[in-house]
Amino acid sequence: GQQVMQIPQYQHVQEGEDFTTYCNSSTTLSNIQWYKQRPGGHPVFLIQLVKSGEVKKQKRLTFQFGEAKKNSSLHITATQTTDVGTYFCAGGAAGNKLTFGGGTRVLVKP
Amino acid sequence: DAGVTQSPTHLIKTRGQQVTLRCSPKSGHDTVSWYQQALGQGPQFIFQYYEEEERQRGNFPDRFSGHQFPNYSSELNVNALLLGDSALYLCASSFRVPGPSSSYNSPLHFGNGTRLTVT
Repeated sequence: GQQVMQIPQYQHVQEGEDFTTYCNSSTTLSNIQWYKQRPGGHPVFLIQLVKSGEVKKQKRLTFQFGEAKKNSSLHITATQTTDVGTYFCAGGAAGNKLTFGGGTRVLVKP
Repeated sequence: DAGVTQSPTHLIKTRGQQVTLRCSPKSGHDTVSWYQQALGQGPQFIFQYYEEEERQRGNFPDRFSGHQFPNYSSELNVNALLLGDSALYLCASSFRVPGPSSSYNSPLHFGNGTRLTVT
């Protein structure tokens, strides 16, 4: 079945620095969604990418969908303490099913 | 406008017992998906309900079953509980995207989850 992998598993970032987290699927995706889960919370939808090569920005967050629609990345600039949490990508396939990756846990050092 | 609500919030059960978890979707949503999230891992898809029928299923044994009611609310039942069933169970609601070939998935709105501990 479809597998979605994320790297790195953990990301320790100095406040103010940039970082990127990556998502790779074993199969071609219809779309990719990104979610953020704060400690003790539930996943919250951030964005969906549908087109090959698509790039979307949300303030300091930049999301990209690969040309082959098998990978995606999330880049955060000028990391803040509010960015703490786990970021999940979720690969969308036909039939409304989403497969989540293992997540990247972001810790911010002030 | 109420979001997704789940009950109970916490539950402690013994191996071999059965458990029922409940979910009310966000107003206007017609599809409910259930996920299992073990500590430190990503949500694993259990199954999805639409129009009171199970439409898709993940790699979970038949001990996991569900139901959707006419008001779109849903239940997740787990029989013969194992220690490994201890996890956060998340319910997510969404709109049903018509057609299997759509490239768009309706974003999921998650509830706060039910923390199940099996001893």
